[in-house]
This record gives sequence, C-alpha cells and structure tokens, in this order.
Amino acid sequence: DGGITQSPKYLFRKEGQNVTLSCEQNLNHDAMYWYRQDPGQGLRLIYYSQIVNDFQKGDIAEGYSVSREKKESFPLTVTSAQKNPTAFYLCASSMKGGTGELFFGEGSRLTVL
Amino acid sequence: GEDVEQSLFLSVREGDSSVINCTYTDSSSTYLYWYKQEPGAGLQLLTYIFSNMDMKQDQRLTVLLNKKDKHLSLRIADTQTGDSAIYFCAETPRGSGYALNFGKGTSLLVTP
Repeated sequence: DGGITQSPKYLFRKEGQNVTLSCEQNLNHDAMYWYRQDPGQGLRLIYYSQIVNDFQKGDIAEGYSVSREKKESFPLTVTSAQKNPTAFYLCASSMKGGTGELFFGEGSRLTVL
Repeated sequence: GEDVEQSLFLSVREGDSSVINCTYTDSSSTYLYWYKQEPGAGLQLLTYIFSNMDMKQDQRLTVLLNKKDKHLSLRIADTQTGDSAIYFCAETPRGSGYALNFGKGTSLLVTP
C-alpha cells in the first residue's frame, strides 16, 4: 500500500545529542514537509522540499537540518542547537497541482531527557 | 506566517451536531481543508472545499465557506464518540511552496 512511513515512533535522547528522524514515501510525490506539533500550538512548518536536492526553511528551521537526496526520502536532523526539541514531529508529502492535499505519516515523538 | 484562528475546545453530546469554526488569512487560497487527528497519530484529510464554492456536503460533514469574512466552518451531524479528536483547519498561503498553514486545532469531546 502507498503511504508515508516515519520512524522511529518514539525516541528518547539525552540533551546535546543530534537525532535523525526518518521519513519515506512511496506515493511518488514531489514535495515533502516536516512539521512540529506542540500542545496548544498546532502545526508549525520546519522545512519543506519541492524537488530532489532542494529544500527551503519554514517558520521554525533554527536548530534543524534536512536533506533530499532521493525523491522518496526526507530525513530531519534535530541538532543540539535546537533549544526545546521535545515535541511530536510530522512528515507529509504532496503531489504538484491537484487539490494540494498533504498526506501525513503517523508521527515521531521525540523526548529529550 | 499569519495565524489561522480556531477555538481550542468544543464539547457536545452524542447525537448532537458539532460546529467547528475557523478564520483564515489568505483570500487567495485556492482550497481550504479540514483535517482530523486522533491521539498519537498523524493527520487525515476529512474534506476540502474549493474557494469558488460556498458549501460542500459529504455524508455527515458540511463545510461552509464565507470568503468575504474569510470564515470556514465544519458541521458534523449526529456526532458520535468516535468523532472525538482534534480538528485542524488549513489554507495554502502564498510563498510557502505547497505547504499548508494550519490553525492550532479544535479538540472535540463527544460525551455519551
């Protein structure tokens, strides 16, 4: 079945460590996105990519990095520079044109101890 | 970006109708969306409306769009306990590729 797979579902890390969250899609979508969700804050855009080897910062990119070496994959690294990394991270993808619908993965919950 | 506004909480009794309201920011948005999120899960598209429509009905869901006031609403008829979730309104603003701009979400609690 086509969809978006995020891993791991839960991740615990010590302060000061970089962590990488995986996002893979087999929907043949060109665009991929990372959002961060905090209670009462809704979804905030971290990074997005409209094409392989290109990506743009969203509203809260500081302390995060991404790569887009393959169409199917858009990993997010939460670096030690991110001051408050504990959150629920959502990856999404979309096709060009159409209704603009985003398809979401099931999310990754990162807890920094 | 500018905020898409939603009320944070709504509580209804099972069998009643629920109405979730949203005020969006970009009058040029081509589509407006309602997403549902169950606890600990990703978001699923419930429905969307094209900007040249005033209303869209899909089974128990009715979306109303008032472009003049930039107001979007989602009505759920005969609300069930399984409808308890967070509901997000979203728009496609300019300058963000295809990324959607989401409201903070409305937590709907359906009580028996």
